Amino acid sequence: QVTLRESGPALVKPTQTLTLTCTFSGFSLTTTGMCVTWIRQPPGKALEWLARVDWEDDKYYSTSLKTRLTISRDTSKNQVVLTMTSMDPVDTATYFCARIRAGRSQYIDQWGQGTLVTVSS
Amino acid sequence: DIQMTQSPSSLSASVGDRVTITCRASQSISTYLNWYQQKPGKAPTLLIFGASSLQSGVPSRFSGSGSGPDFALTISSLQPEDFATYYCQQSYSTPITFGQGTRLEMK
Repeated sequence: QVTLRESGPALVKPTQTLTLTCTFSGFSLTTTGMCVTWIRQPPGKALEWLARVDWEDDKYYSTSLKTRLTISRDTSKNQVVLTMTSMDPVDTATYFCARIRAGRSQYIDQWGQGTLVTVSS
Repeated sequence: DIQMTQSPSSLSASVGDRVTITCRASQSISTYLNWYQQKPGKAPTLLIFGASSLQSGVPSRFSGSGSGPDFALTISSLQPEDFATYYCQQSYSTPITFGQGTRLEMK
């Protein structure tokens, strides 16, 4: 059974750095075709993709946010960490981690429950 | 970045109706198109991948079609549990991009 769970602060202040951890089980991030991604969703708005790390430790970032994002993995702990610098109230959102199956088709087949992060002083 | 445009943004329908949601990419994406359903307060779930392949466990009343820039998600006979928001997403190139969502409401 594949599970993913996000953890991190519920509240951050403007200008601070957000660090979120995705702890997963039921698959290995070193298996060909496995990727973990982060996606966010501001309240009442659409999904926005943030970053991805794959089985070869290649990393990809949102065009608009890439200067603020860093994604990393710890395969021994089955964890993926996302950091986002210079947090602003507009970054208030539910942050999801999820698994991407990358092969002939690429799709997100498993999601964490999400964690709401509020940016406020 | 590839832009994904869904229509309509919202849709009112009744149980038993046949509904279609469309998604257009800003360039050809072959069949690298996925559909997700999201209910309030929950994470999205995968319905269709590769434009027309039904994810395991998804009811057969859901179907996907299209290629290139134009795609559709069809629900053949709406059930009460289908009232939700639907998103398309392209996986042709990175960055992944989503449509803005289509909210399906009960009439």
